[in-house]
Amino acid sequence: ETGVTQSPTHLIKTRGQQVTLRCSSQSGHNTVSWYQQALGQGPQFIFQYYREEENGRGNFPPRFSGLQFPNYSSELNVNALELDDSALYLCASSRDRGYYGYTFGSGTRLTVV
Amino acid sequence: SQQGEEDPQALSIQEGENATMNCSYKTSINNLQWYRQNSGRGLVHLILIRSNEREKHSGRLRVTLDTSKKSSSLLITASRAADTASYFCATDESGNTGKLIFGQGTTLQVKP
Repeated sequence: ETGVTQSPTHLIKTRGQQVTLRCSSQSGHNTVSWYQQALGQGPQFIFQYYREEENGRGNFPPRFSGLQFPNYSSELNVNALELDDSALYLCASSRDRGYYGYTFGSGTRLTVV
Repeated sequence: SQQGEEDPQALSIQEGENATMNCSYKTSINNLQWYRQNSGRGLVHLILIRSNEREKHSGRLRVTLDTSKKSSSLLITASRAADTASYFCATDESGNTGKLIFGQGTTLQVKP
């Protein structure tokens, strides 16, 4: 079975721009979560999608939005980028809202300049 | 917000020694999970222990959970240089919020 694939691996954007990050979930998984990890910190929950519906959201502003597609892949969109958005963005997929744990992708390193 | 607090923040041991990391949390949980992260890359799921379990083993890993003290520990026995990484505990809160809450992590260095 394939794991979780994220693209791109690295990205540099200018403050105020918009960015879309993509995630292909592991085969058989119907749940996707997104996390932001600042340098030296633990990951922070952004939101989760279960069968194309949002199933929980962390303490992030509305300019962080997402989608889950019928094949359970997902996108994270961030509008009006700020310097503090620079971080590693991690996607994690699971079966049934994480009952058995999560499989993480390798992440997208976003740098906002 | 960070729920878990991990202790110690950093640990340096010799190959062959055991490594113990501790995690404390604040709320009721469905389960607690441990993950490993190498050099800022993706997290690797190590073990999941449910709230009604007290101890779980997987290879060289042993995890304990004390829900009365809201704490967990991860023991890595006979450590290897390849175990060098950051280790995070994450709690799945009761109520199926879909949210994993991670601690700050323990950085483990295993010297050959």
